[in-house]
Amino acid sequence: DQQVKQNSPSLSVQEGRISILNCDYTNSMFDYFLWYKKYPAEGPTFLISISSIKDKNEDGRFTVFLNKSAKHLSLHIVPSQPGDSAVYFCAARAPLTFGSGTQLTVLP
Amino acid sequence: GAGVSQSPRYKVAKRGQDVALRCDPISGHVSLFWYQQALGQGPEFLTYFQNEAQLDKSGLPSDRFFAERPEGSVSTLKIQRTQQEDSAVYLCASSFLRTGNTGELFFGEGSRLTVL
Repeated sequence: DQQVKQNSPSLSVQEGRISILNCDYTNSMFDYFLWYKKYPAEGPTFLISISSIKDKNEDGRFTVFLNKSAKHLSLHIVPSQPGDSAVYFCAARAPLTFGSGTQLTVLP
Repeated sequence: GAGVSQSPRYKVAKRGQDVALRCDPISGHVSLFWYQQALGQGPEFLTYFQNEAQLDKSGLPSDRFFAERPEGSVSTLKIQRTQQEDSAVYLCASSFLRTGNTGELFFGEGSRLTVL
């Protein structure tokens, strides 16, 4: 029973365009959400987070949106850069429950 | 060291063999987590320590899996009588925050276990 779902295993976007990665969750008790980025042969690294009391959090090129009524969050990357190519996991606490990840490829 | 360190990075075991995976968390981090990541999947929670106390082991898949953190720093994940389905990357993560405030976790690079 997956409590955090990422239904798109992969996404390709052109450099400079917006990347939108989506995540759905089922447990309404989740109160804090995080996005992690993972390069091959490395551990996941923290990217950005959002508390359930907010609906948006922005950090440079990265913005996370939370829609609690839909139990949906999304990560926007704009403009996308080739170095953003990685697997992106959304997660909810606690303990951290991860989605299955989305492989983002940014094409030069 | 500056980050979470795991060893070995790669381990090949014959079915039935016991393995031990080590995690050195960031110095001073109270919380330590073990996750299992199968190919193409997200990390799955195994167990959690706060200092030396194992507060949650609900994710351990069987009694062949055992974890310890005797001095509240280094942790070892032991898998007895390995099976092919144990093949995965085992990730260790640490946090300076305590239970209920998981927040950001700092992950190691993982130990990739292959059971033949």
